[in-house]
Amino acid sequence: GQNIDQPTEMTATEGAIVQINCTYQTSGFNGLFWYQQHAGEAPTFLSYNVLDGLEEKGRFSSFLSRSKGYSYLLLKELQMKDSASYLCAVTRATSGTYKYIFGTGTRLKVLA
Amino acid sequence: GAVVSQHPSRVICKSGTSVKIECRSLDFQATTMFWYRQFPKQSLMLMATSNEGSKATYEQGVEKDKFLINHASLTLSTLTVTSAHPEDSSFYICSAREDNYEQYFGPGTRLTVT
Repeated sequence: GQNIDQPTEMTATEGAIVQINCTYQTSGFNGLFWYQQHAGEAPTFLSYNVLDGLEEKGRFSSFLSRSKGYSYLLLKELQMKDSASYLCAVTRATSGTYKYIFGTGTRLKVLA
Repeated sequence: GAVVSQHPSRVICKSGTSVKIECRSLDFQATTMFWYRQFPKQSLMLMATSNEGSKATYEQGVEKDKFLINHASLTLSTLTVTSAHPEDSSFYICSAREDNYEQYFGPGTRLTVT
């Protein structure tokens, strides 16, 4: 089976740093994505990790450990507009294609 | 580049009627398209995967006779919700993928069944 877990909600203060964790168990693992989703809108791509280690992109960084089935998204210098849901998605190879399995999502509230 | 559109963005229909949602890749050829459903405050649930010219592969628990998917060309996939009921009210999102890992999402369609 497959299981992807994230905290349901997190709260942080403007200007702070927040880390959103994602743990997964899946067969045929082929990479992990992080998406940001504002209410009523489609997800937007933030990062992709396929190898172990840290990927940095401006204020956002994402880390992957395949042996531990663990990833995190790090958001620095938080801004009010970062209040959104953050979705972790695992890609797995199945029947000649790649499927995306989404985690439960983490609702982040940034407070002034 | 890599723009995906969906139409309509919002639709209200009466119980028992059918609704068609279109998903188009505007500037690339989508060999694979995915259809997701998202209920309020929940994550995206994959409904089906469709490859151009072949039948869609449905996820467990998704009724293929109720949610008809057609991927007629490399730029268009349609999802038809047949005999819609209030419990089908949801946010339906498509995504499209060319021959790489990244998928590009459409803006979503809010379906309300009264």
